Amino acid sequence: QVHLVQSGAEVKKPGASVTVSCKASGDSLTDSFIHWVRQAPGQGLEWVGRINPNSGGTYYRQKFQGRVTIIRGTSSTTAYLELSRVTSDDTGVYYCATQQQDGDHFEDWGQGTLVTISS
Amino acid sequence: EIVLTQSPATLSLSPGDTATLSCRASQNVTRFLAWYQQKPAQAPRLLIYDASNRAAGIPARFNGSGSATDFTLTISSLEPEDFALYYCQLRNDWPVSWTFGQGTKVEIK
Repeated sequence: QVHLVQSGAEVKKPGASVTVSCKASGDSLTDSFIHWVRQAPGQGLEWVGRINPNSGGTYYRQKFQGRVTIIRGTSSTTAYLELSRVTSDDTGVYYCATQQQDGDHFEDWGQGTLVTISS
Repeated sequence: EIVLTQSPATLSLSPGDTATLSCRASQNVTRFLAWYQQKPAQAPRLLIYDASNRAAGIPARFNGSGSATDFTLTISSLEPEDFALYYCQLRNDWPVSWTFGQGTKVEIK
């Protein structure tokens, strides 16, 4: 099992960029991917993107293309989500989650990071 | 991209009842479906993967079934802690992406 710890809440103005981190500990991430999923207030879950911590390869949801970047840290146990040109629609809780290479589901989840976009 | 439609939006039941949640895909699913439970102010928790396999530590009253376009999560003999939101999820082959249903809320009647 992988334990994921995310960075703290963020408050940003419209047009700014926001970065959220996700640090993994416990089992090795060698055979895992890290995803980002967001949840707007009172809404459902929305997949944002995924990174392979070993290769750095990424997939992003098309609606975020050009605004989202997911990168890995130097130790490959940390992933970062950067969202640029934010608007009030980007307000919500952002979760990181792991996917094992042999599955399509999200096994372990971070505690969530509240991102508030407000002028 | 496959769209997942969950029904009903809300299920009002009593402890001890059986909950039957539906997740319908807009086209045949070639990959495996998962189910998650989410309680207020908590992260989602994996319940079922590959349509019918319970995740580690998930009680036997949670059962997943289905194939192609129709999938079901059945919760037998509801416990007080089972009243929550439930989401289905799958991976799309092209474009590569992951999709969630809009959720079903199981509430106390």
